[in-house]
Amino acid sequence: VLSQAPSVSVAPGQTARLSCAGANLGAKSVHWYQQKPGQAPALVIHDDNERPSGTPDRFSGSHSGDTATLTIRRVEVGDEADYYCQVWDQNSNDVVFGGGTTLTVL
Amino acid sequence: VQLQESGPGLVKPSETLSLSCRVSGYLVNSGFYWAWIRQSPGKGPEWIGSKYSTGTTYHNPSLRGRVSISVDASKNVISLKLKSVTAADTAIYYCASRVTVTSDRWFDPWGQGLLVSVSS
Repeated sequence: VLSQAPSVSVAPGQTARLSCAGANLGAKSVHWYQQKPGQAPALVIHDDNERPSGTPDRFSGSHSGDTATLTIRRVEVGDEADYYCQVWDQNSNDVVFGGGTTLTVL
Repeated sequence: VQLQESGPGLVKPSETLSLSCRVSGYLVNSGFYWAWIRQSPGKGPEWIGSKYSTGTTYHNPSLRGRVSISVDASKNVISLKLKSVTAADTAIYYCASRVTVTSDRWFDPWGQGLLVSVSS
């Protein structure tokens, strides 16, 4: 089970930090998705801190112990979305998603 | 790589949900893995299962026994069958993939999704 805070609110230009926690998370890589209303989720960070091409460098990921964090600097109104973390268990090959955090830009 | 889901938007309880995902820009036999993921209204995504180019398939333990994922190379299509559906299976169903080999597993790209409702 991956736990995410249901909502985070920040003002434009500020920094948003979205967390993802789970047992034994330290042994796994964490991936992050952004989902805007009416759209499919889109990958923004993989392998804890790797940005796919197309992800602005305002987005970064970190991972310490059983908690991973997606940090969005200089938040823009266009960053308003739901954000989900995801892990893969290499022993069972199961994939798990977090419940998501809704980022609101005030 | 582009993915496009298709299938009925309404399925009756106890029947089998059958969806297809047409793949463009890549051969289904060459991709690392192809997956189905669903999302119930207001909830996070739920992994249904993944099929690897080796032929191996893994399913979500909560759905095991009801799920079948197959690949039709002649049509370049991935298919999902979910048996004995109930209202709890109402969701947007996405196909997703990872075409190049990686040490971990994530999904990029995704299809646009298809809303499937289970109701009599």
